[in-house]
Amino acid sequence: QVQLKESGPGLVQPSQTLSLTCTVSGFSLTSYHVHWVRQPPGKGLEWMGVMWSDGDTSYNSALKSRLSISRDTSKSQVFLKMSSLQTEDTATYYCAREDSGDVYFDYWGQGVMVTVSS
Amino acid sequence: DIQMTQSPASLSASLGETVTIECRASEDIYNGLAWYQQKPGKSPQLLIYNANSLHTGVPSRFSGSGSGTQYSLKINSLQSEDVASYFCQQYYDYPLYTFGAGTKLELK
Repeated sequence: QVQLKESGPGLVQPSQTLSLTCTVSGFSLTSYHVHWVRQPPGKGLEWMGVMWSDGDTSYNSALKSRLSISRDTSKSQVFLKMSSLQTEDTATYYCAREDSGDVYFDYWGQGVMVTVSS
Repeated sequence: DIQMTQSPASLSASLGETVTIECRASEDIYNGLAWYQQKPGKSPQLLIYNANSLHTGVPSRFSGSGSGTQYSLKINSLQSEDVASYFCQQYYDYPLYTFGAGTKLELK
C-alpha cells in the first residue's frame, strides 16, 4: 500500500542546515508529485515545495533562497535541505503525495518533529 | 497568497450531534478546497476534495459545501472516532497551497 515516511534529526542548531528524507513505497516517484509541508507548534500548515514527477522542483517563494528538494528514484526517496535554520523553523515536517488526477494530497507521512535550538 | 481563515479553532460537541467547521478564503477559490482529518500522532487523512466530493472510504456523515470564498465541513451524528483536528486546504492557487489553521474537535 501507499506509504510515506519522513526521517531526519530531531534537533538542529541555529544557522545549521536541516536535512530530511521522505521514503515512499507503493508508488513511483516518476509517476507522482511529492510535496513538503510543515507545521510549527500550535500553528497552521505551510506548503514548502514540490518534487515534480519529471524531476523538476518548485518552491514557496518565502523559503526559496534556503530550500532545496531533490530525489533518488532508485531508493524511492525525496530529500529536503533547508539552510540557515532559525528557531522559527521549529516545526513538524511532512511529505505528502499529490493525487494523480487532481491536486489535493491523497497520502501524507506521519511527520517528523524538528526543533531548532542551541 | 490566498489566506484561509478557519473557524472555530476548537469545538466541543456531544455524541450524535451535528458539527460544522468553516473556512473562508481571501478570494474566490472556485471550489478548489479539500478537508483533512488528523488524529493525534497520525497522518492527515483526506476527507473531502473539490469542496463537496467525498473521498473514497470516508463515511457519509461527512459532507462539504460552499462556493466562492465560503466553505464548510459538516459532520452528522458525531461519533467518538471523529475526535480529531480538521483543516482545510485551498489548491486553486496551485501549487501555492495554503491551509486553514485547524479546528480541534473534542467530545463534550
